[in-house]
Amino acid sequence: AQSVTQPDIHITVSEGASLELRCNYSYGATPYLFWYVQSPGQGLQLLLKYFSGDTLVQGIKGFEAEFKRSQSSFNLRKPSVHWSDAAEYFCAVGGWGAQKLVFGQGTRLTINP
Amino acid sequence: DTAVSQTPKYLVTQMGNDKSIKCEQNLGHDTMYWYKQDSKKFLKIMFSYNNKELIINETVPNRFSPKSPDKAHLNLHINSLELGDSAVYFCASSQDRGGQTDTQYFGPGTRLTVL
Repeated sequence: AQSVTQPDIHITVSEGASLELRCNYSYGATPYLFWYVQSPGQGLQLLLKYFSGDTLVQGIKGFEAEFKRSQSSFNLRKPSVHWSDAAEYFCAVGGWGAQKLVFGQGTRLTINP
Repeated sequence: DTAVSQTPKYLVTQMGNDKSIKCEQNLGHDTMYWYKQDSKKFLKIMFSYNNKELIINETVPNRFSPKSPDKAHLNLHINSLELGDSAVYFCASSQDRGGQTDTQYFGPGTRLTVL
């Protein structure tokens, strides 16, 4: 069975600072990895995904993530955060033979002005 | 054009009532899902349908009954509502990739409050 751990429940960064959100996964086959963002009162929006190929993936809103198979990680990064990035961020894993995505518990991002 | 839509957005009701939430997607996807998000934001899959066939039923009480009249619609009916059913319910859809998961697109959610 697949699983996802997001070790940080809540992170606070200053506007303009860099950001890294951690995600560790467990899956017995080749994983498909996703980052979603949920703004308050909204649904989940896909930021980026990794299926295969280049392990550094670019997404929307200036986000990127790097797949590291040896560390079972798929961390999300942004070089300079904006106040509008304040939201809940979810990492998810699926893949070949998986009928569903499994989501991490989410990381709440707060931006200080 | 809304890709995945849900109605209603808010639902407030009394314990013991029966209610339904509707979901529609216009993406041409074959697979649709219902998720429950609790107060701690934990997102858990409840059901999945592929071409109107139930694929996933994740130990959900049988008071919850999904119905898929066609592959663009997946409704959720809940009988005898309990306080613990209060949550945000999300519908999602994805393309069928024949044995592998694909990107899921989410609706805006329905916030259910049971009093």
